[in-house]
Amino acid sequence: ETGVTQTPRHLVMGMTNKKSLKCEQHLGHNAMYWYKQSAKKPLELMFVYNFKEQTENNSVPSRFSPECPNSSHLFLHLHTLQPEDSALYLCASSQEAPGAQFFGPGTRLTVL
Amino acid sequence: AQTVTQSQPEMSVQEAETVTLSCTYDTSESDYYLFWYKQPPSRQMILVIRQEAYKQQNATENRFSVNFQKAAKSFSLKISDSQLGDAAMYFCAYRSPLSSNNNDMRFGAGTRLTVKP
Repeated sequence: ETGVTQTPRHLVMGMTNKKSLKCEQHLGHNAMYWYKQSAKKPLELMFVYNFKEQTENNSVPSRFSPECPNSSHLFLHLHTLQPEDSALYLCASSQEAPGAQFFGPGTRLTVL
Repeated sequence: AQTVTQSQPEMSVQEAETVTLSCTYDTSESDYYLFWYKQPPSRQMILVIRQEAYKQQNATENRFSVNFQKAAKSFSLKISDSQLGDAAMYFCAYRSPLSSNNNDMRFGAGTRLTVKP
């Protein structure tokens, strides 16, 4: 596979469930990102990892827990989510230069 | 903090015609990167075109070109000879210079482009 992949593509979960989103990049990049995309709102940056180190956490609730075991893989662990957390979660990666981020297809999350 | 504004929530264009999508941004930095991304319905977001602020020449990628006005902090996207496959949400994005060690990107709210046959 090439580019940035995300699994699962769709996820429906109850508020008491625990699930994880997975992202994998095959581009040799050293930075990875999680974004939340809700209807009619700009993309919201959630987390940034640079060389496996978390460099940014944009005041994301603790029910979202990221994990970056290596520069190619990124996880988002979910627990006790709320219905308002339903959204498209996008993963992206980039190299320092030329600076563009490359996105995965996203996971469409629905919290019941 | 840098902000990106796309003032056109929706635009439409006739097939084969030209359309321009607007984007303005606010920054105090002198060097930065600007991007246009395309997100077709239920499909992956892809990079359309990028511009380095230190370059005066406007970037061009086939039918896509930008009008970069640094003093005005404007970065519009022109799509020539529009095709049905151009229908998508278009996002303008700003990224700080590499020297800032800031890896994040600021996105506009997006413009939904409809292409009429």
